[in-house]
Amino acid sequence: GAVVSQHPSRVICKSGTSVKIECRSLDFQATTMFWYRQFPKQSLMLMATSNEGSKATYEQGVEKDKFLINHASLTLSTLTVTSAHPEDSSFYICSARGPSGDQETQYFGPGTRLLVL
Amino acid sequence: QKEVEQNSGPLSVPEGAIASLNCTYSDRVSQSFFWYRQYSGKSPELIMSIYSNGDKEDGRFTAQLNKASQYVSLLIRDSQPSDSATYLCAVKSQAGTALIFGKGTTLSVSS
Repeated sequence: GAVVSQHPSRVICKSGTSVKIECRSLDFQATTMFWYRQFPKQSLMLMATSNEGSKATYEQGVEKDKFLINHASLTLSTLTVTSAHPEDSSFYICSARGPSGDQETQYFGPGTRLLVL
Repeated sequence: QKEVEQNSGPLSVPEGAIASLNCTYSDRVSQSFFWYRQYSGKSPELIMSIYSNGDKEDGRFTAQLNKASQYVSLLIRDSQPSDSATYLCAVKSQAGTALIFGKGTTLSVSS
C-alpha cells in the first residue's frame, strides 16, 4: 500500500521560534497533499491543500503567513509553523492522495506532535 | 456548510459481539465515503472505502451506504479488544477534494 512518512514525529520548541514539518510519500508520487491539525479529543481539521508546483489552498481561518506550505516535489510537502505560540501546540497530520488508480483514497502520515513552551 | 455527524460514544460492546457505528452527512452530492480507525496518539488508518449504495464486506468489517438517506455505517463482527479505538467517518464531495471528517465514535470492546 501507499506509505506516507512525517518528520519529526515529535518536537518541542520555545515560543517565537519556527518549526518545519516534512511529509513524504515513500513509494508513490503525490500531486496533492493535505495538512490537518487535531487538538485533544477533537476531530481532524483540514488546514490546507497542497498541490505540487503551485500555491497551497488554505481553509477559512487558517493564516497562510503563519503556516507556510511548500510542495516543491511530487514526494515532499513541508509545513512551517512560523513564530509558534503555545496555542499552536497540536497534532499535525499530513495525508496524500493515493497513486494512479487509487486517487480517491487519502493515506495519512504518522503525525507530528508539536509542543510550544 | 458540509457536515459529517457521528455519535461520539463511547460505544461499549463485549468481545465477540457486533459493533455498529453510524454516520450521516449533509452534502447530498457526496461521492466517496471512508472509515478510518484512529488509536489514541496515532494518525488515522484506512479501514474501508465505499462508493455505491449497498454493502461492502472486508473480513470482519462491513460498510453500508444509503445515499438517499445520506447515511453510512460500519459493522464490526466478532469484535476484539484490539478494535478499541476511535472510528472516523470521512466524506468526499468531489474527486480531488479533501476529506471532511466526523468527530469520531469511540469504541470500547471489553474482554
